[in-house]
Amino acid sequence: GAVVSQHPSWVICKSGTSVKIECRSLDFQATTMFWYRQFPKQSLMLMATSNEGSKATYEQGVEKDKFLINHASLTLSTLTVTSAHPEDSSFYICSARDLQGAGEQYFGPGTRLTVT
Amino acid sequence: LAKTTQPISMDSYEGQEVNITCSHNNIATNDYITWYQQFPSQGPRFIIQGYKTKVTNEVASLFIPADRKSSTLSLPRVSLSDTAVYYCLVGEDNNDMRFGAGTRLTVKP
Repeated sequence: GAVVSQHPSWVICKSGTSVKIECRSLDFQATTMFWYRQFPKQSLMLMATSNEGSKATYEQGVEKDKFLINHASLTLSTLTVTSAHPEDSSFYICSARDLQGAGEQYFGPGTRLTVT
Repeated sequence: LAKTTQPISMDSYEGQEVNITCSHNNIATNDYITWYQQFPSQGPRFIIQGYKTKVTNEVASLFIPADRKSSTLSLPRVSLSDTAVYYCLVGEDNNDMRFGAGTRLTVKP
């Protein structure tokens, strides 16, 4: 089946620094990628929808200047958490929609971000 | 956007069949029903998708009544490794993948 990777799988950073998370579709092209955040014992919360070659669409309450999303190619989207704070510590998950076929969604393994 | 309602948690024992029901009263004509499984600290994994009646694959069955206002995920003969959170999503063409609270299934020996 289709594979979506994320890098890094976990990261620890200091408060005030920025962190970039990559999401790649390894064996298919994805016009659309989605970014989610998940806090412990909670469900996934959609943060933004990323479309290749255009600006991302952010969900209400998600700061676009803090969570920068770049979808520069059909296989790569990046999420940059700028000026990270401890409350940004979370599990970040991306998913990619297969351009071909029935447009299935495939999820990455997630990235655990800890801000100290 | 169709909202979904699932039981918060369920317990079962190894070897039993587990049925998890999801309510989606305002499902739209073009909406599909998709179920995902998630283990701790992992991304969700696709289980099954359907539009109406019954769909079966190697891991589960999905039952959808004629009015499509609910659906039931059936897991045959669960094992300890099926302990996870199960999410029901309803949407058109795999867009707008917003997750509800999910059902935390615990399989006991």
